[in-house]
Amino acid sequence: NAGVTQTPKFQVLKTGQSMTLQCAQDMNHNSMYWYRQDPGMGLRLIYYSASEGTTDKGEVPNGYNVSRLNKREFSLRLESAAPSQTSVYFCASSEVQLYSNQPQHFGDGTRLSIL
Amino acid sequence: AQSVTQLGSHVSVSEGALVLLRCNYSSSVPPYLFWYVQYPNQGLQLLLKYTSAATLVKGINGFEAEFKKSETSFHLTKPSAHMSDAAEYFCAVRRSNFGNEKLTFGTGTRLTIIP
Repeated sequence: NAGVTQTPKFQVLKTGQSMTLQCAQDMNHNSMYWYRQDPGMGLRLIYYSASEGTTDKGEVPNGYNVSRLNKREFSLRLESAAPSQTSVYFCASSEVQLYSNQPQHFGDGTRLSIL
Repeated sequence: AQSVTQLGSHVSVSEGALVLLRCNYSSSVPPYLFWYVQYPNQGLQLLLKYTSAATLVKGINGFEAEFKKSETSFHLTKPSAHMSDAAEYFCAVRRSNFGNEKLTFGTGTRLTIIP
């Protein structure tokens, strides 16, 4: 059972370089999410996609773009990386059910360093 | 706006002692609450989730949490700590009733187990 798969697991970039983080889920979930995790700040939502074909900004969207390629895949792009974007990035997915407490399922993360 | 507060960024307990991790929430609607655990270099795993069916929720690995509306709390407990419980724990609240809405995470509590 793969669940949520993120690639790559580690990456080092130079300031100004671009990069796309990949995420795929095999649980047929409608909703997908990108978070960043920084020490002492918990997880903060960057972007999310409620369903295929839709994307919306979260708390910290500046400097990022996303693409919901199909129901399975949701990618996060850094167009011009900055040191402030050094973080651990997590992708998650969840089912959509009204008035039901469905949890989000997380990948193992991408550890990104910007020099 | 819904939010969660986790009291204590670091908690240390002796092996075999009671574990108590605190979470308070603010919510204008009946909340959807979760506890997640993160082991080193891994993603977040669901420990337990609150459903309106019961105020005492049992999760994996012997953890449980009690929902107290009067105190707006959802504290996580385990009667006897084990070395394998060393991890970071996150409380989270979902922002609305409508299925796929965004989670707001607390800043996390790192649990250390003393042999």
